[in-house]
Amino acid sequence: AQSVTQLGSHVSVSEGALVLLRCNYSSSVPPYLFWYVQYPNQGLQLLLKYTTGATLVKGINGFEAEFKKSETSFHLTKPSAHMSDAAEYFCAVSDSFGNEKLTFGTGTRLTIIP
Amino acid sequence: GAVVSQHPSWVICKSGTSVKIECRSLDFQATTMFWYRQFPKQSLMLMATSNEGSKATYEQGVEKDKFLINHASLTLSTLTVTSAHPEDSSFYICSARNLGNAAFGPGTRLLVL
Repeated sequence: AQSVTQLGSHVSVSEGALVLLRCNYSSSVPPYLFWYVQYPNQGLQLLLKYTTGATLVKGINGFEAEFKKSETSFHLTKPSAHMSDAAEYFCAVSDSFGNEKLTFGTGTRLTIIP
Repeated sequence: GAVVSQHPSWVICKSGTSVKIECRSLDFQATTMFWYRQFPKQSLMLMATSNEGSKATYEQGVEKDKFLINHASLTLSTLTVTSAHPEDSSFYICSARNLGNAAFGPGTRLLVL
């Protein structure tokens, strides 16, 4: 069984400040990890994913995440927040890249303070 | 690439009626499609997995007779909410994938009065 925990349902940062959204996972097999962004009344857009290889993954819009097996974490970061980053962010885990049946975290709403 | 559409984007219906939601992969052939439901301010919950030409696999607690899924072609899957009730009001999102391509649809908001 897999699970995802996102610490902090709401995160607020000032424009230009560091964004850190936390994600911890539980998986009995090597995980495939994803971050998605959801804007109001829209579907999900893939930000980045970790499958194998390099543990630091770079995604779109300046976001990146680091897979830390020892900490079972996959935190999402962005050095400088932009107003357009305000959205809901979901971390997800899959046990199979080919299947990609995803288990989602409960989401973190990111607010950017002007 | 990997674009998925859903139709309709919004639907309001009366209690007891059935509603069909379409999910289409526009630029690739999707061997597998997933249907998720998202309640307000909650995460996405997987409802079912469908493979083209075969019966859908439903997650525990999801009524297969209430949520009918058809995946008749490699580019189209449909979710029919039968005899809809107010508690079925939700945001329904599909995901389509094949090897190398995966994407989510924009979602369909269902409101049952």
